[in-house]
Amino acid sequence: AQTVTQSQPEMSVQEAETVTLSCTYDTSESDYYLFWYKQPPSRQMILVIRQEAYKQQNATENRFSVNFQKAAKSFSLKISDSQLGDAAMYFCAYHNTNAGKSTFGDGTTLTVKP
Amino acid sequence: GAVVSQHPSWVICKSGTSVKIECRSLDFQATTMFWYRQFPKQSLMLMATSNEGSKATYEQGVEKDKFLINHASLTLSTLTVTSAHPEDSSFYICSAGTSGGSYEQYFGPGTRLTVT
Repeated sequence: AQTVTQSQPEMSVQEAETVTLSCTYDTSESDYYLFWYKQPPSRQMILVIRQEAYKQQNATENRFSVNFQKAAKSFSLKISDSQLGDAAMYFCAYHNTNAGKSTFGDGTTLTVKP
Repeated sequence: GAVVSQHPSWVICKSGTSVKIECRSLDFQATTMFWYRQFPKQSLMLMATSNEGSKATYEQGVEKDKFLINHASLTLSTLTVTSAHPEDSSFYICSAGTSGGSYEQYFGPGTRLTVT
């Protein structure tokens, strides 16, 4: 069974600074997808960024980028120029394309200080 | 695009009664829908996966007779909590996936269930 580990229950960052959230996963599959989702206080889950395992190039979406290390099974999220609206719980998710379902990490609560 | 609605957003029911939660994909056809349960400040726990027109696949430990899932169309899935008890109180989230290979999930806003 796949597992997803987020070792940082809580992180904080100063507004306009950069923060990195870590995520590691365990799998024997070669084809899979990785995601970062954001859950603000409203509890609406929002997709932040997606990475296909077969792509070596790290995904980037505006201020959000990932560091995908397939051999190390690591998938960290970097948030640049942090904004107050980035405060939320962030979940790393592994999608097993064969099983057709995702496994979520325990989440990291990000606080942004003004 | 890719909006998923959930109704109701909050429901209170008495112990022993049943409650139905609806999940709709508003602007796309959802080939697969997922139902999750989330406790405060915790992760999402997958309860079941449903594909339109077929029986749901439940995760280990989830009582299929208690949590009835129906995916009658490509835009609607329902979760019925039967004979609810206080321990069923939780936040339930549905999500929808599409065919096409992106595998991202579009989440509903969630339903807070309180059983008294």
